[in-house]
Amino acid sequence: KAGVTQTPRYLIKTRGQQVTLSCSPISGHRSVSWYQQTPGQGLQFLFEYFSETQRNKGNFPGRFSGRQFSNSRSEMNVSTLELGDSALYLCASSSTPSEQYFGPGTRLTVT
Amino acid sequence: QKEVEQNSGPLSVPEGAIASLNCTYSDRVSQSFFWYRQYSGKSPELIMSIYSNGDKEDGRFTAQLNKASQYVSLLIRDSQPSDSATYLCAVTPPEGGYNKLIFGAGTRLAVHP
Repeated sequence: KAGVTQTPRYLIKTRGQQVTLSCSPISGHRSVSWYQQTPGQGLQFLFEYFSETQRNKGNFPGRFSGRQFSNSRSEMNVSTLELGDSALYLCASSSTPSEQYFGPGTRLTVT
Repeated sequence: QKEVEQNSGPLSVPEGAIASLNCTYSDRVSQSFFWYRQYSGKSPELIMSIYSNGDKEDGRFTAQLNKASQYVSLLIRDSQPSDSATYLCAVTPPEGGYNKLIFGAGTRLAVHP
């Protein structure tokens, strides 16, 4: 069974721009969660989608948003990028509560 | 107080020894506990999950949970240099947030030959 895939793997953006990241979960998994990982803050939960509905949200500003499509693929969007948004963005999928499997991540650099 | 606390390490053990990684969590109501392994430059990989008090063994890995003490640990027997990585402890929050995991900062393990 193929794992979680994320595109793109690397991205460089300029302050003020917006970015969209994509995640395809493991086949059959309906839950997709997004996390941000930085050296200073570690791994932090952004939000979770299940059946196209946001089921949980972390403590991030409204510039961070997401959505899920009927095939369970998910996208997250960050608007008005700030330097502090530079991070590894990880997507995780799950078929059972809590056991999550991570994709390879998208490394975002904001200059 | 952080919700999930881990010693950042590095924890250095010789090859063949037992590595013991510890994690404490702040909320007694947390229900599910996980250990992830993250190699440098890679994404976290789920290696153990534990939901009830006691021990759970999987190969060279044993997870131990003590809810009364709010403590979860991971033992790695016969440590190998390939086990050198950062080990992340994660718990589900008390409000039952489905697939929302709260992670510790991770413990860096170094296994030397």
